[in-house]
Order: sequence, then C-alpha cells, then structure tokens
Amino acid sequence: QVQLQESGPGLVKPSETLSLTCSVSDGSISTYYWNWIRQPPGKGLEWIGYIYDRGSTNYNPSLKSRVTISLDTSKNQFSLKLSSVTAADTAVYYCARALGDILTAYSFDPWGQGTLVTVSS
Amino acid sequence: DIVMTQSPLSLPVTPGEPASISCRSSQSLLHGNGYKYVDWYLQKPGQSPQLLIFLASNRASGVPDRFSGSGSGTDFTLKISRVEAEDVGVYYCMQALHTPPIFGQGTRLEIK
Repeated sequence: QVQLQESGPGLVKPSETLSLTCSVSDGSISTYYWNWIRQPPGKGLEWIGYIYDRGSTNYNPSLKSRVTISLDTSKNQFSLKLSSVTAADTAVYYCARALGDILTAYSFDPWGQGTLVTVSS
Repeated sequence: DIVMTQSPLSLPVTPGEPASISCRSSQSLLHGNGYKYVDWYLQKPGQSPQLLIFLASNRASGVPDRFSGSGSGTDFTLKISRVEAEDVGVYYCMQALHTPPIFGQGTRLEIK
C-alpha cells in the first residue's frame, strides 16, 4: 500500500515562505490527484489544494494568492509552498492522495502522518 | 462556500451500542450523475484522518461493515451499528462536490 511522508522545517518566521515536501513510496506520482490539507492545533481541517496530471493544479480560493504546489516525478515527490506566512498558518500539514479518478478527486486516502509547522519569530 | 454542520458535537457511547452522526449541508450535494458527494473521516487520537465512507455510502478499503453512510441531497448520516473501543476519535463529514472541499466541525465520539 502506498505511503506518504511529509518533510520540511518545523519553524518558519512570519512573512517568510513555508516549504514542505511529500514523498510517495510507490511510482503512482504520475497518476492520481495529490493534495495538501492542514489542521491548526485543536481545530478542524482545511483543504489547501491539489496537483495532478504532471502539473495541473487547483487551490483553495482563500489561499490561492499565496500557494504553489508542484510535482517532481523523478523523485516521486510533490511540494507545497505557502508565502507570506503569519501565525494563523501554524498548523499540522498533511499530504494525501485522492482515492481515484476525477469522480473521487476530493476523497482523500491515504494520508501522511502530518508535520507541525509553527510560524513564529 | 458550502457550510457543513454536524450534530452532535460530542457523542458518549456505551460499547456494543449503536451510534449515529448527522451532517447537514447548506447546498445540495447531489450531482447530476446521481452520486452524492459526501465523505466521512475518522481522526483517532494522535493520528491522521482516515477515510471511512466516500460518495455518501461507499465504505473505503478495510473499513469494517459496522460503519455505514446514507443520506439525501443535504442531510447525511454516519451510523456505527455496534461501537467498539477503537472507534473513539473525531468524525468529520466533508462535501466533495464543490471547490473547495469543506469539512464539518467534527463530532467527538467517546466511550462511556
């Protein structure tokens, strides 16, 4: 079964760019929809965006101006960049694969274990 | 954005007893293709969320058959036929029809 693993700095300064990478254990990176989702401490879940088909993306309108998701098929990885971060961006960030095709592009399975990113000076 | 409202927010259950969680959407989640775009997730303590139900009534791989989902265009229900201790955690519904997908606020299931 495919496994996902997030990696990146756990601490980012305000106004800087948050950068995370999700490593995919099998060769399925060139197919499926690949998502980022976040969860502020003690709060609910917020979808950030996805990438698919070698680079097509779709972002949450509330974050769209600050988000970039990219794909590196040679490394079986996809990445998240979130610019101009503030304390409100402090959250556990999860990567997740969509279940299947366009019919289930927003059904997330499996998920990575998540990584906590704190925005603080 | 669509608003997803869950109830109850807290659900104490005796092991072996059934449980039910309601989720109401501010807009219909019935697509013209006949599918209802609601998913259910369980986030166990200290873990990532896991998919339980997709397209309103389809169990994800490996999900026990004591979990079932149903609903109409705006009202959806997750049922657990007999609660087990391992079912504790926060349950989220999520609308998967429109961008962005929106999660409910969560229902915390605890064992009595």
